[in-house]
Amino acid sequence: QVQLQESGPGLVKPSQTLSLTCTVSNGSISSGNYYWGWIRQPAGKGLEWLGRIYVTGSTEYHPSLKSRVTISVDTSKNQFSLELSSVTAADTAVYYCARARRPGGYYYYMDVWGKGTTVTVSS
Amino acid sequence: AIQLTQSPSSLSASVGDSVTITCRSSQDINSALAWYQQKPGRAPTLLIYDASSLKSGVPLRFSGSGSGTDFTLTISSLQPEDFATYSCQHFNSYQWTFGQGTKVEIK
Repeated sequence: QVQLQESGPGLVKPSQTLSLTCTVSNGSISSGNYYWGWIRQPAGKGLEWLGRIYVTGSTEYHPSLKSRVTISVDTSKNQFSLELSSVTAADTAVYYCARARRPGGYYYYMDVWGKGTTVTVSS
Repeated sequence: AIQLTQSPSSLSASVGDSVTITCRSSQDINSALAWYQQKPGRAPTLLIYDASSLKSGVPLRFSGSGSGTDFTLTISSLQPEDFATYSCQHFNSYQWTFGQGTKVEIK
């Protein structure tokens, strides 16, 4: 079955850009009607959706982060990526990538998740 | 933007108890709601989609109901492996939104 794995630096300096990659295995990122998304979770807090990319390449982002977030896809590497610019300590969190499909035929839900990677913003 | 508010934020219960968690949306979202379970140090897993449909493989003691603005997740007979945090989530054309989570602890 499809598996997702996040990778990237665990430590980022304030004001720099956080860059993470999610590698998709046992399945093609460009096949099927899937969204591919990024979600984060600060320690002890709830889940926060950051953004998503559809198989066509169209993107949507969290309204409050829209100016700082970019999600892209590299079909040749079967990967999608997250860039979050101008980071502060408030961006310290576990970052998850996830696949979303529509099990009921209409609405999309996240059925496959990566294990998560911890990113700390600190000088 | 749509907001999801869960209640309670946490609850204590015993094995065998029935527990209900509520998720309220700030706007009518029809049945576009899911429930996830998350254990410490692990990624969330999908339990319920479209408000009341049980994902294949999820025990029948889990059930979801509701539509519009008010939704519930019920665990009919709490098992030791059910102690976790549960989050609701909404999908629409513009974004995904999560509730803040409900932690189910052992009494």
